[in-house]
Amino acid sequence: SAVISQKPSRDICQRGTSLTIQCQVDSQVTMMFWYRQQPGQSLTLIATANQGSEATYESGFVIDKFPISRPNLTFSTLTVSNMSPEDSSIYLCSAGGLAGVGTDTQYFGPGTRLTVL
Amino acid sequence: AQSVTQPDIHITVSEGASLELRCNYSYGATPYLFWYVQSPGQGLQLLLKYFSGDTLVQGIKGFEAEFKRSQSSFNLRKPSVHWSDAAEYFCAVGAGSSASKIIFGSGTRLSIRP
Repeated sequence: SAVISQKPSRDICQRGTSLTIQCQVDSQVTMMFWYRQQPGQSLTLIATANQGSEATYESGFVIDKFPISRPNLTFSTLTVSNMSPEDSSIYLCSAGGLAGVGTDTQYFGPGTRLTVL
Repeated sequence: AQSVTQPDIHITVSEGASLELRCNYSYGATPYLFWYVQSPGQGLQLLLKYFSGDTLVQGIKGFEAEFKRSQSSFNLRKPSVHWSDAAEYFCAVGAGSSASKIIFGSGTRLSIRP
């Protein structure tokens, strides 16, 4: 399996500011993903972070609001831009395509709990 | 379109009792199916997965799930729950190539009665 860490684990931010969340995997993986979990809700996929190319966003999510970087096979960042209280959520990173495991299993990080005031 | 339904929002069972969490899916082809658990303040942990083969799948922590194509179901079971099993449980279906895109159900919160 893969061990995934996220920084920060939680943050409280003012509206209009931006926060960048980091995701680090302890092994090289072909696929990394970002999810949002709004309070009391399930997980929704924001985008797939593609190494060496632009992220692929799901319907309802745009690059200007959630820019993503993936500079190598073990690291990705998600920025939540121009935040509003509606962005208060848990943001989770996941990784798939671990060598010897395949692309059909994803491992999740502990999440970043964001509160926007 | 692919979807997952977990009809039970919250379930309470007594410690030592058996458990069954329901999950129904909608998917055009043979699905990749998963159960994840999220403990308070924790990330998601994979309990088990089904891709093909034996329809009864064994997972970690004593959980198992049975794939029933005729009922489009993938219910999670445990014969005897422990207080540490209290958590949120998510059923999910893998879509896209190699099931790389996961669609989650709404989750079922499990409480354990002492």
